[in-house]
Formats: sequence, structure tokens, C-alpha cells
Amino acid sequence: GAGVSQTPSNKVTEKGKYVELRCDPISGHTALYWYRQSLGQGPEFLIYFQGTGAADDSGLPNDRFFAVRPEGSVSTLKIQRTERGDSAVYLCASSFSPTGTDEQYFGPGTRLTVT
Amino acid sequence: AQSVSQHNHHVILSEAASLELGCNYSYGGTVNLFWYVQYPGQHLQLLLKYFSGDPLVKGIKGFEAEFIKSKFSFNLRKPSVQWSDTAEYFCAVKSSNTGKLIFGQGTTLQVKP
Repeated sequence: GAGVSQTPSNKVTEKGKYVELRCDPISGHTALYWYRQSLGQGPEFLIYFQGTGAADDSGLPNDRFFAVRPEGSVSTLKIQRTERGDSAVYLCASSFSPTGTDEQYFGPGTRLTVT
Repeated sequence: AQSVSQHNHHVILSEAASLELGCNYSYGGTVNLFWYVQYPGQHLQLLLKYFSGDPLVKGIKGFEAEFIKSKFSFNLRKPSVQWSDTAEYFCAVKSSNTGKLIFGQGTTLQVKP
């Protein structure tokens, strides 16, 4: 079946602009996760949803970052007033459940470049 | 706070050599442990995971890992690597009651034919 998809695959924006990154999870997965991966580093947790609600947003770096999942399926990560330090690959993952033995399936990522 | 440390940043091996990648974590509670792999141009995918039971877990493509609780370690092993194992390998940990994965910084493995 279809895996996790993310759009766009690449996004170049100017410093100060607003961007939205979209994630389509695997059908039936109730949990959805966002991570950020900088060059040469492992993925860094940002936020995860169980259904429509954010279960843990402790990884969001500041209030410029916000994520929603209004219908419990697709999620959008929103970044306001982008800064050059926001440049990274933003990864989305999904699973049936955040606890238990369920695996998180990752999407291909969105490469964000802030100029 | 939870953390994961991978000791080897870049490993170069010849085909048929044995592999061991170190991973240590910091967390006092019940943990779930994972190794993920990212082949060139591909998504992160799960190699193996440990939740409970036998501390020696076997994954895909001949990989295995051993959970040693007293050492807070979860090292990845493969007896004989192939050129196709060239990839980046990430160790990750989460507490059992959350979905938040904490990743190590990754190890780049290069296998020479």
C-alpha cells in the first residue's frame, strides 16, 4: 500500500516568509509525528499527534512553529517568519499507535532551504 | 532527559568484514529501542526493534542487536557485510508510554567491494 507522503519535496523560501509543509500518513494510522533533520545529525523530535490532538509538542523549538491535524489524517507543519537556521529536512512518520510495539513509518521528507 | 550516543560517526569496511556499531542511551525507565537505516536516496526504514523479552533481537538483512540493560547499550551487529549495506544507521530510543523517538547522531557505513 501507499506509504507516508510529504509535499513539497523541496521548498526554497526567503528569510522572514511563511511556509507550510504537508504530510499524508498511511491510511488507518492514528499517530503522526514530525521530526527535523539537520545535515550530519539524527532526526530531532518536534511534535506528535494521537488523532486530532497534539499529544506531545515539547520538541517545537519556539512559537514560530505550529502543527495541526484537524481531521486526524493529514497534518500541516507551519513555520512563521522563517530563519536561515530553520533550513533542514522535515520528516513525517505515522504509526497505528504511539505506544506498544508499533513501528513508525517515515516519509521521504521535505527539504527546506531558507535563503 | 533521554539521550542517545552513537560512538562511531564514520565506519569503512571491506565486504565480508564483521560489523558492530555502538549505541548507548540515557534513560531510567522502561525503554523501547530501535535501529533505523537510511540507504542512499531512500527513506528511513526500520532494521530491528526491542520492546521486551529476549535481549538478542534479529532484524532484516541479517542484522541483529543485543540489549544490555546494565550497560544501557543496544549495539548493532552483522557477521559479514555486503556492499549493499552502505548506508547511514541510526539508533533510537523511546520510553514505553510515549511515541517520542530520540535518535542518535547516526553512523555512516561505507562498504568497499
